Amino acid sequence: DAKTTQPNSMESNEEEPVHLPCNHSTISGTDYIHWYRQLPSQGPEYVIHGLTSNVNNRMASLAIAEDRKSSTLILHRATLRDAAVYYCILRTGNTPLVFGKGTRLSVIA
Amino acid sequence: DTGVSQDPRHKITKRGQNVTFRCDPISEHNRLYWYRQTLGQGPEFLTYFQNEAQLEKSRLLSDRFSAERPKGSFSTLEIQRTEQGDSAMYLCASSLDGQGGNEKLFFGSGTQLSVL
Repeated sequence: DAKTTQPNSMESNEEEPVHLPCNHSTISGTDYIHWYRQLPSQGPEYVIHGLTSNVNNRMASLAIAEDRKSSTLILHRATLRDAAVYYCILRTGNTPLVFGKGTRLSVIA
Repeated sequence: DTGVSQDPRHKITKRGQNVTFRCDPISEHNRLYWYRQTLGQGPEFLTYFQNEAQLEKSRLLSDRFSAERPKGSFSTLEIQRTEQGDSAMYLCASSLDGQGGNEKLFFGSGTQLSVL
């Protein structure tokens, strides 16, 4: 399975932007980059995904490097409700999602 | 709310007992996944169904674990002769097939199993 590398934890101040990095140097041309997050005591929640181009939705933005070996999840204005574990996952075809340990984001009021 | 529903939310059992969990996916979703999560780790894939067919099982899935999705709707996960190492959060997710890498999974809130 293609793998990703994320920092174990990050901290942000409330109402400031957050940039969560993910390295995936072994990505193949058909791998999609998916981000999920998991709030305390809940199941994971889909955030965003992309293949080559940057993507925006109501929750976040995904910036993908030109060589696709890294990506960044951007939360434009962190709130306390964004405190969660964020998982960066490569999706290969129809294979099940493989989760790593993710990045634990703490948001400080 | 018509999200993924899991029952029960919590289960405490004694070692050696059998337990069964239920998952009701989002109604039009034909794919259903089971994951297990222990403290401090990401969810670990166990098995998945497309309609009623079980298409893949993790090599980590012991023979004591069995999953069914008899009519392609709800699914059950049974653990026989539970062991303390089975203590974990069991998560169910559903999705629409046919989207390849665009497939999005919708997770339930999980069943927390404690084996004493």
